[in-house]
Amino acid sequence: GESVGLHLPTLSVQEGDNSIINCAYSNSASDYFIWYKQESGKGPQFIIDIRSNMDKRQGQRVTVLLNKTVKHLSLQIAATQPGDSAVYFCAENRGGFKTIFGAGTRLFVKA
Amino acid sequence: EPEVTQTPSHQVTQMGQEVILRCVPISNHLYFYWYRQILGQKVEFLVSFYNNEISEKSEIFDDQFSVERPDGSNFTLKIRSTKLEDSAMYFCASSTLQGGNTIYFGEGSWLTVV
Repeated sequence: GESVGLHLPTLSVQEGDNSIINCAYSNSASDYFIWYKQESGKGPQFIIDIRSNMDKRQGQRVTVLLNKTVKHLSLQIAATQPGDSAVYFCAENRGGFKTIFGAGTRLFVKA
Repeated sequence: EPEVTQTPSHQVTQMGQEVILRCVPISNHLYFYWYRQILGQKVEFLVSFYNNEISEKSEIFDDQFSVERPDGSNFTLKIRSTKLEDSAMYFCASSTLQGGNTIYFGEGSWLTVV
């Protein structure tokens, strides 16, 4: 079936700590994965992506890990800041026109 | 930085009325999309559009919905005879390539059907 889902609906972290947001996908044909950040009342904002021929990709303070064996994706945010508070969505694309979003994880950053 | 722009930001409409949501995609993008997000839920794919025709649509995108690129810059979503359950945030998005390429979203149009 088609699904991109998240392990936890909410995550609360202390400012300065690292955050890890997880995502599971079900279709092994998926070959492109994206993490989006959505702040309240705004559209999804691209954070980082990874293709299926990679298992890790790093950006500024963010790292995405892909484990194709267990169909798992994670987003790591280093030194989490209050501005990181948002809902994070993983999304997958299978080479076509449709990008499928997961359910979202709300990240709370405690000062 | 180029961005996708959407109008209106918020629209309230009576049930049964027609609504047109407007979008200006990023200028060099060739693929256009509409997504929907019901309050508190995930972002759902509605339709993709390329080369002046629908390339893929979801089961949500039934005969009530239509899309159009009336000129070289605008991309519209029309909802005929709105229902209460059409109340949602509607996001327009665009990309340079299909599949495997990042889609960039607008800020959304919040539709409330009363």
